[in-house]
Amino acid sequence: GENVEQHPSTLSVQEGDSAVIKCTYSDSASNYFPWYKQELGKRPQLIIDIRSNVGEKKDQRIAVTLNKTAKHFSLHITETQPEDSAVYFCAASRSGTYKYIFGTGTRLKVLA
Amino acid sequence: GAVVSQHPSRVICKSGTSVKIECRSLDFQATTMFWYRQFPKQSLMLMATSNEGSKATYEQGVEKDKFLINHASLTLSTLTVTSAHPEDSSFYICSASEGAGTVPRRVYTEAFFGQGTRLTVV
Repeated sequence: GENVEQHPSTLSVQEGDSAVIKCTYSDSASNYFPWYKQELGKRPQLIIDIRSNVGEKKDQRIAVTLNKTAKHFSLHITETQPEDSAVYFCAASRSGTYKYIFGTGTRLKVLA
Repeated sequence: GAVVSQHPSRVICKSGTSVKIECRSLDFQATTMFWYRQFPKQSLMLMATSNEGSKATYEQGVEKDKFLINHASLTLSTLTVTSAHPEDSSFYICSASEGAGTVPRRVYTEAFFGQGTRLTVV
């Protein structure tokens, strides 16, 4: 079945350093890849997304890259801040289905 | 962005009783909503796809008689956990996308999540 693998499961970085989270998907028909941030006890919030017709997208300190051939995509956070500490989930979806398959999550800790 | 409201946010029930959780899209219509289950420090596991006016589609391993889903209108889906047991204790969360239900259909749309329901079965 459809599967999304996410690594690492936990990540600790010093404030100001960069953080990279990687995901691999199995369904080659997936063409929409959102990233969500979830703080403890709260709902997931979309932070950035990318469609399969582009290879990279950037929004201030956050960027996502997509390699369709290898079926993997990555989240890059630069100049990390303590408020970036949260759990991050990647997801893969086929356009028009609205069904998301989530990765296993990465707990990011930014150390002050 | 669009708003999805989930109620209740917390519920404690006794073993053997049933619990109903509501998921509402407040400012848009959604023909499709999704129900997820999240264990502590784990990912969101898709349980089922709720389809307005038709039967829900359940993921493999999810008991349809245990987790009853009703999507009676374009803005409301309900999940009922029947004959709850302590192992059903978890965080349940719904999502909906604006694209589903719009005309013409928008295909790349963000999924908005409800605030989640923490169910504790004692």
